[in-house]
Amino acid sequence: DIQMTQSPSTLSASVGDRVTITCRARQSISSWLAWYQQKPGKAPKLLIYKASSLESGVPSRFSASGSGTEFTLTISSLQPDDFATYYCQQYNSYSLTFGGGTKVEIK
Amino acid sequence: QVQLVQSGAEVKKPGASVKVSCKASGYTFTGYYMHWVRQAPGQGLEWMGWINPNSGGANYAQNFQGRVTMTRDTSITTAYMELSRLRSDDTAVYYCARGPSRVYCSGGSCYFDYWGQGTLVTVSS
Repeated sequence: DIQMTQSPSTLSASVGDRVTITCRARQSISSWLAWYQQKPGKAPKLLIYKASSLESGVPSRFSASGSGTEFTLTISSLQPDDFATYYCQQYNSYSLTFGGGTKVEIK
Repeated sequence: QVQLVQSGAEVKKPGASVKVSCKASGYTFTGYYMHWVRQAPGQGLEWMGWINPNSGGANYAQNFQGRVTMTRDTSITTAYMELSRLRSDDTAVYYCARGPSRVYCSGGSCYFDYWGQGTLVTVSS
């Protein structure tokens, strides 16, 4: 399985802050990476697919980049609704794997 | 609109089996793979496998080989995930999640564009 490592595991930020989350793959996954947002007690929600493509309906303050082994998710101006846990997921290999998650909490 | 509605919470004893259902609506059920993902309490997400609702073919994650069976009933657009020989560490929320059109995927592997609401399975003696 391809191991996915996210950093940081927890991030404290304020409304209006620019926030960046990193996801690293143990081996190259080209651009086959998705990002999800999950709030407590809810299912994950797709934000980004193919490393940088914004899912329909997702606010434009979310953006992402990267290829190969290093990827980033950026929230340009953190809003109250954005406090949640974020996961990356690779779909390059036959066995799909997720990162361990990054919790974005209120500073 | 696409909807995935899962069956209700279950409590099982160690060694038993559980079968979770996922009723799909709002799209052509046989046109999109259905995946299952689980999340233990306070933990991250773990992919379990997928089923092709058109053919019935399935691919299971190695961690679940021999214990999981994914099936579907196209007449009622419902996918099922059955996990056997349950252990306490199988206590988790189980989600069904749709894979998008295959053109967006890397071969048979993909991301998930719609998710069910989750089914809590508690394994306890």
